Amino acid sequence: EVQLVESGGGLVQPGGSLRLSCAASGFTFTSHAISWVRQAPGKGLEWVSGISGGGTNTYYPDSVKGRFTISRDKSKNTLYLQMDSLRAEDTAVYYCAKHYGSGSFYAYFDYWGQGTLVTVSS
Amino acid sequence: EIVLTQSPGTLSLSPGERATLSCRASQSVSSNYLAWYQQKPGQAPRLLMYGASSRATGIPDRFSGSGSGTDFTLTISRLEPEDFAVYYCQQYAGSPRTFGQGTKVEIK
Repeated sequence: EVQLVESGGGLVQPGGSLRLSCAASGFTFTSHAISWVRQAPGKGLEWVSGISGGGTNTYYPDSVKGRFTISRDKSKNTLYLQMDSLRAEDTAVYYCAKHYGSGSFYAYFDYWGQGTLVTVSS
Repeated sequence: EIVLTQSPGTLSLSPGERATLSCRASQSVSSNYLAWYQQKPGQAPRLLMYGASSRATGIPDRFSGSGSGTDFTLTISRLEPEDFAVYYCQQYAGSPRTFGQGTKVEIK
């Protein structure tokens, strides 16, 4: 059974940093791209980063480029999101989502974690 | 960036009725790389459809998807009580990945 379990959320001040983790199980970790998707309170879904199965290629939208860094540790089957220079508008539930299929980054999200809440406030 | 616009914003229907949700893209979505997700309050999104018209594993056949290019539709043939939720379309043909703003299907 595929499982994705996020952790690391919490309250952080504007300008601060936070690192999220996503522990994965039930599939071959290095064969699948994984992304982070966030959802601000009462709002829709926004993709914020993705990484290829091997970890070589990373992708970001302009809204977080230069502030967020995605990485993965194959020895721990864990995905990370390092978030720096946080702003109030980064407040959201952050989900990790597995891409379907082996190898391709251009795939839909077939499994999602339950999310972790990040609140940026003074 | 491909912008996805969903309509209507809210759909008020009764159980047993048919729901038709629209997703329009600002440019053609290549290979029909369009997915639909369902989200209930306090839960993560769940994959419903991919490739515009293929049902994900375990999704009942009252859900169907259609469309190509820039216009896509999700249809729920007969609404069950558990279908009242928010539905999002998403394109995975290009980067950045983008989602529509969602359509809420609520009980009338």
